[in-house]
Amino acid sequence: GQNIDQPTEMTATEGAIVQINCTYQTSGFNGLFWYQQHAGEAPTFLSYNVLDGLEEKGRFSSFLSRSKGYSYLLLKELQMKDSASYLCAVQDSNYQLIWGAGTKLIIKP
Amino acid sequence: IAGITQAPTSQILAAGRRMTLRCTQDMRHNAMYWYRQDLGLGLRLIHYSNTAGTTGKGEVPDGYSVSRANTDDFPLTLASAVPSQTSVYFCASSGQDSNEQFFGPGTRLTVL
Repeated sequence: GQNIDQPTEMTATEGAIVQINCTYQTSGFNGLFWYQQHAGEAPTFLSYNVLDGLEEKGRFSSFLSRSKGYSYLLLKELQMKDSASYLCAVQDSNYQLIWGAGTKLIIKP
Repeated sequence: IAGITQAPTSQILAAGRRMTLRCTQDMRHNAMYWYRQDLGLGLRLIHYSNTAGTTGKGEVPDGYSVSRANTDDFPLTLASAVPSQTSVYFCASSGQDSNEQFFGPGTRLTVL
């Protein structure tokens, strides 16, 4: 079966760094996405990885290892507005997205 | 219109009633999707459409139907609503030049 695993909840301090992990087992792989979702709102795109390595975009970076079925999202210089759920999704062989349940990130002052 | 719109924003529905959730995009995206989001679960694909005139079943299609008469609109119909269809429903679209999916604001549906 297809499975995306990520921690249910994480807590971090304002100004710090946090790493959110995602492991996956899917039928085929055509890329991995990270989305941010604030409570009561729609998911919004953060990053896309299809090759191994690190993609950096401002305070956010995403890493992929296809051989390990593993990705992480790294958030630096955390701000209160980063409190949200972070969703990991893998595009399978049919180009459909398989979604993890999301990681709720709580930022404390 | 800018992006994707959904209507209604929220709805309380009696079990057994028919309901259509509307979704419209103005980005000329070929592909459109309907997801449901339930607490503790990831987004689950209900139906999708890769281009106008075609539709396909996702992970949880039972009890739902869709149509894609044109590029912009992708309505989702619940023929006879049941309480297990209580959820938040998101419509999304993607274009040929990007794998990114853009989401509408969602419809919160409660079936009693």
